[in-house]
Amino acid sequence: QLVESGGGLVQPGGSLRLSCAASEFSFRTFYMHWVRQVPGKGLVWVSRISDDGTDKSYADFVKGRFTISRDNARNILYLQMDSLRAEDTAVYYCARYYDAFDLWGQGTMVTVSS
Amino acid sequence: DIQMTQSPSTLSASVGDRVTITCRASQNIHDWLAWYQQKPGEAPKLLIYKASTLEGGVPSRFSGSGSGTDFTLTISSLQPDDFASYHCQQYDTGFSFGQGTKLEIK
Repeated sequence: QLVESGGGLVQPGGSLRLSCAASEFSFRTFYMHWVRQVPGKGLVWVSRISDDGTDKSYADFVKGRFTISRDNARNILYLQMDSLRAEDTAVYYCARYYDAFDLWGQGTMVTVSS
Repeated sequence: DIQMTQSPSTLSASVGDRVTITCRASQNIHDWLAWYQQKPGEAPKLLIYKASTLEGGVPSRFSGSGSGTDFTLTISSLQPDDFASYHCQQYDTGFSFGQGTKLEIK
């Protein structure tokens, strides 16, 4: 399973680090992703990291502000979010990639507001 | 970037109905298309991948078809548990989702 944490209320321009703890599967062998969703709206892909952490990609709207990383020894995926904007307000999900996104966490809410 | 367009945005149907949701890609994505079901307050759940392959544990009343740019998700006989939102996703080049379809009880 995947369990996200780290969401909360942050002021514009602030930072937040999300975590996604993996269990019950071989975390180090899977590519992992972050996807976000404004409540009531569609899903939006945010970022991806390879199984060994060496290859990363980002959606244009977070490039240069968000950093994805992972700790395969601890089975944790991270998303460091800096220079946050009001439009980053959303539920953030981590997801495992195998046959498409076959396992999702429950999501963590990030609210960017003054 | 590949744009995914789902239709309809909202669909009203009754238990037992056969329903179809469509998804169109802005360019050829071959069969790299997935469908997800999402209930309020819950994470998405993978239903179908590679356009037509049913994920393990998903009821056989769900089916997917299509290739290239046009795809469909069909539910052969709606059950009460099926009223939810459905999202298509391409993973041919990058990753992008449709805007979602909300399936409501008529």
